Amino acid sequence: GAVVSQHPSRVICKSGTSVKIECRSLDFQATTMFWYRQFPKQSLMLMATSNEGSKATYEQGVEKDKFLINHASLTLSTLTVTSAHPEDSSFYICSARPGGYTFGSGTRLTVV
Amino acid sequence: QKEVEQNSGPLSVPEGAIASLNCTYSDRGSQSFFWYRQYSGKSPELIMSIYSNGDKEDGRFTAQLNKASQYVSLLIRDSQPSDSATYLCAVNPSRSNAGKSTFGDGTTLTVKP
Repeated sequence: GAVVSQHPSRVICKSGTSVKIECRSLDFQATTMFWYRQFPKQSLMLMATSNEGSKATYEQGVEKDKFLINHASLTLSTLTVTSAHPEDSSFYICSARPGGYTFGSGTRLTVV
Repeated sequence: QKEVEQNSGPLSVPEGAIASLNCTYSDRGSQSFFWYRQYSGKSPELIMSIYSNGDKEDGRFTAQLNKASQYVSLLIRDSQPSDSATYLCAVNPSRSNAGKSTFGDGTTLTVKP
């Protein structure tokens, strides 16, 4: 149980464009989902907590207008990186609660 | 001082040996402690969780927690080449908020055949 699916696994986009990443809970309802970012050889950094039906809570230093989070249903949260720049290139990972121990497979974003 | 500190490694052990991974944390009120394994290019997978002082064993893995010393460790017995990965220590302020954890930078383990 507690399977979290993330899509896409890899995406390359041009600087200035927007990219949407989906996180789905496949076999349970996720009232809360978490979005992390991991730069090479660094640890996971929590970006935001996504709550179904309400606004996301962003961690200090994370721009909410740049990283748009929508949690419109109990099984889906999306992270949209708006006006992406090369410094946004990273590995983005979601996890869901309940089942908060399980991470999605991650999305490798490369902005060129 | 980082909230969660781990030796970055790399730690190299021969196949069949015991690998010992260490983690210290700064928040004395932390309640939940996790060890994740992360293969290169993949997302982390949970291998152990521990909440109380002492040892917790699961197969070849043993987690050890000492809240007084703010220290948690992971022992891997009979290490296999497939154990080669980065091991992340994560600490959470509560038992219920499992998703909102603080992670260490990870220790890279290499098990040599």
